[in-house]
Amino acid sequence: DSGVTQTPKHLITATGQRVTLRCSPRSEDLSVYWYQQSLDQGLQFLIHYYNGEERAKGNILERFSAQQFPDLHSELNLSSLELGDSALYFCASSGVAGGPDTQYFGPGTRLTVL
Amino acid sequence: GESVGLHLPTLSVQEGDNSIINCAYSNSASDYFIWYKQESGKGPQFIIDIRSNMDKRQGQRVTVLLNKTVKHLSLQIAATQPGDSAVYFCAETPLGSSNTGKLIFGQGTTLQVKP
Repeated sequence: DSGVTQTPKHLITATGQRVTLRCSPRSEDLSVYWYQQSLDQGLQFLIHYYNGEERAKGNILERFSAQQFPDLHSELNLSSLELGDSALYFCASSGVAGGPDTQYFGPGTRLTVL
Repeated sequence: GESVGLHLPTLSVQEGDNSIINCAYSNSASDYFIWYKQESGKGPQFIIDIRSNMDKRQGQRVTVLLNKTVKHLSLQIAATQPGDSAVYFCAETPLGSSNTGKLIFGQGTTLQVKP
């Protein structure tokens, strides 16, 4: 158990809908990262937050957004869902603001868009 | 562009043998490398990491080797056990990512351990 929690574990929805994925980092970590894992793209970095502030963006679609709250949990919002958004979404946390550091991953949310 | 690649998609080894999983990276400026293990239905699990100022680092039954000259990273697992069966990913943090520790992942190698 990494100490990172994610909810829900599974999510099934329809195209055009909007969903919210939730992540709670390890208690001592201020950084939260979001990654998408699909069969054809592998693990792709989406976005990084540190202590409530956005630090970096990766290949994140404009339909996707995220935020980190004062209690440090983070949410990833996916809107206008398309079939291709079906994937595993992971969050990871680490203790530093920037630069290399071990990231601990949660169990993921499996999103299925029908 | 940024990419981290793995040489083999699947590696099959006999239980008790040593396993070597290879990874080639393209960003010569990367300064941090990390190996993760991912079992079916689970998130990536940290195995071992190494910084660019090192060539070798050892953990419990695992060793990571970094060859910056040829931009090659390898993970060695000693006395491979059935519980080691999983997909293994290498990842890097590109130098210059001072504002973030984002990871760039390779495609993964599936390790199959035969009893």
